[in-house]
Amino acid sequence: DAGVIQSPRHEVTEMGQEVTLRCKPISGHNSLFWYRQTMMRGLELLIYFNNNVPIDDSGMPEDRFSAKMPNASFSTLKIQPSEPRDSAVYFCASTFRRANEKLFFGSGTQLSVL
Amino acid sequence: EDKVVQSPLSLVVHEGDTVTLNCSYEVTNFRSLLWYKQEKKAPTFLFMLTSSGIEKKSGRLSSILDKKELFSILNITATQTGDSAVYLCAVEGTTYGGATNKLIFGTGTLLAVQP
Repeated sequence: DAGVIQSPRHEVTEMGQEVTLRCKPISGHNSLFWYRQTMMRGLELLIYFNNNVPIDDSGMPEDRFSAKMPNASFSTLKIQPSEPRDSAVYFCASTFRRANEKLFFGSGTQLSVL
Repeated sequence: EDKVVQSPLSLVVHEGDTVTLNCSYEVTNFRSLLWYKQEKKAPTFLFMLTSSGIEKKSGRLSSILDKKELFSILNITATQTGDSAVYLCAVEGTTYGGATNKLIFGTGTLLAVQP
């Protein structure tokens, strides 16, 4: 298995633009997580899907952020409009049956909003 | 509010030294504590601890949990340059009703091992 696949690896955009981050979880995993990592706040959970259904989105910072999981093999995280304070590394992670010891992270998307 | 605090924030040692990384936590409905190693990219799993006083060991790395005092330590003996990384501690708690096994991460300890 190729692991959790995220794209793009790097994204540089201007303030106000729409940004879409993509994730393909490991085949067979039914839990998917989006995290954001910054120096100041570390790794923060943004949203969690179980069986393609959003279960907990309490970490989504504001309405500019939205996430979808249309099927078991694909998820997106969208920021519209983007702001400089959104600059961070965004990780997608997946596991089976919410087993955190089996949580696998993707390589992340480094987002820079100018 | 649930929180995980790691110390020190950063550490520089020489090869062969032994290091101890600390993690303290406050979380509702504690289920487990996990340690991850993050090199340049994605965090990778090291240990999961659920019971107090039982050491988990993998090669030169070991970890133990104290649920009474709400902390864990990660020990690395005979450090090597390949141990240089950010070490993340995360605590798994449940939301009200047990709906989510949410991981709360600390900000990590940056370990640099010099030759």
